Amino acid sequence: GAVVSQHPSWVICKSGTSVKIECRSLDFQATTMFWYRQFPKQSLMLMATSNEGSKATYEQGVEKDKFLINHASLTLSTLTVTSAHPEDSSFYICSARDGGRPGDRGPSETQYFGPGTRLLVL
Amino acid sequence: GQNIDQPTEMTATEGAIVQINCTYQTSGFNGLFWYQQHAGEAPTFLSYNVLDGLEEKGRFSSFLSRSKGYSYLLLKELQMKDSASYLCAPMDSNYQLIWGAGTKLIIKP
Repeated sequence: GAVVSQHPSWVICKSGTSVKIECRSLDFQATTMFWYRQFPKQSLMLMATSNEGSKATYEQGVEKDKFLINHASLTLSTLTVTSAHPEDSSFYICSARDGGRPGDRGPSETQYFGPGTRLLVL
Repeated sequence: GQNIDQPTEMTATEGAIVQINCTYQTSGFNGLFWYQQHAGEAPTFLSYNVLDGLEEKGRFSSFLSRSKGYSYLLLKELQMKDSASYLCAPMDSNYQLIWGAGTKLIIKP
């Protein structure tokens, strides 16, 4: 349980193009999803918090016009990197917060991560 | 400010026990998570502590002392597949996880 998928897993694109990444919670509803970026050997960096049906909350230094986030349903959030440049090349990971169900799952605040998307901008 | 302190790297032997320590400072506290992250992969949830004490889950146990701002992850009967980074992530008053760089654990045969 608590499975999160991400698509695509790999993207190679030309500089200036836009790339859309999808994040889906497969077996639970997620009112809140998170988008992270991680550079090699560095910590996870939260980019934005996405709440279903409302605008995303972006962290300081993250350009909301460049990283468009849409959370149209309880199981899907998308991140679009607009006009991508080589410096945007990174590992993008989404997570979804489970509302909490019985069993060996964590508390309701537990974030479950998708497998990540590797973006390479040439 | 908010910060997390974990050793950068640790080495242990297959079959042994290892303890990964974490000290933290956060604005408010709503529990602490441990995640495992294999190289090139996303983190996976291991444990959650919100009250002081030890939580045991199979080969992995996690301990919390809120007054000391301290937690540890204890891994028993180490296996080669346990080679990964272990991330200590406290949750602040806004229910945001605070992430450090984690501890890279290397298991040797």
